[in-house]
Amino acid sequence: QQPVQSPQAVILREGEDAVINCSSSKALYSVHWYRQKHGEAPVFLMILLKGGEQKGHEKISASFKKKKQQSSLYLTASQLSYSGTYFCGTENNYGQNFVFGPGTRLSVLP
Amino acid sequence: KAGVTQTPRYLIKTRGQQVTLSCSPISGHRSVSWYQQTPGQGLQFLFEYFSETQRNKGNFPGRFSGRQFSNSRSEMNVSTLELGDSALYLCASRIQGDNYGYTFGSGTRLTVV
Repeated sequence: QQPVQSPQAVILREGEDAVINCSSSKALYSVHWYRQKHGEAPVFLMILLKGGEQKGHEKISASFKKKKQQSSLYLTASQLSYSGTYFCGTENNYGQNFVFGPGTRLSVLP
Repeated sequence: KAGVTQTPRYLIKTRGQQVTLSCSPISGHRSVSWYQQTPGQGLQFLFEYFSETQRNKGNFPGRFSGRQFSNSRSEMNVSTLELGDSALYLCASRIQGDNYGYTFGSGTRLTVV
């Protein structure tokens, strides 16, 4: 079942923070986050596991909450290079039923 | 280390024809997934292969099929092409293990006329 992402789109000024949410109707084994720039392939940002582990970048972090059915991606002090569409991908068990959300379009303006 | 390689990059086919797309995963990656991406539909999962076996399948008609070879390379076939099959087809590979995400290829842009 496809996860729900919110907001659908967000516009920021450089230096502002952003939060993107991803929610599922079932408890998740893992949540992946990807960023896709226009005309390019999606790029893996980080993964959250049900055990609470996360691997990410310096100014990008994520959390699991609400019985492992919801994840939020936090972008701190946004840079122009953060612009793109962010997808969460979820799986209920390792290697099973991995599905992407519809995406959140993020635009960072100077 | 080479990334995920998809060939060809662009294809133009006529309605009713069939097409085969190829994907070579990163060395050591045994899981290969295929996605269809269109502007209004996002990333739609087609199927996933692991060690030559189809492990998961999305909700696409039987015209879409795939296979994986012993060297983990994968092919996707679409028969009896329809105009609505025009899309970017992305392949992604993943190494075995919990902590790793998918690495995507640059995709094959298929246009059906």
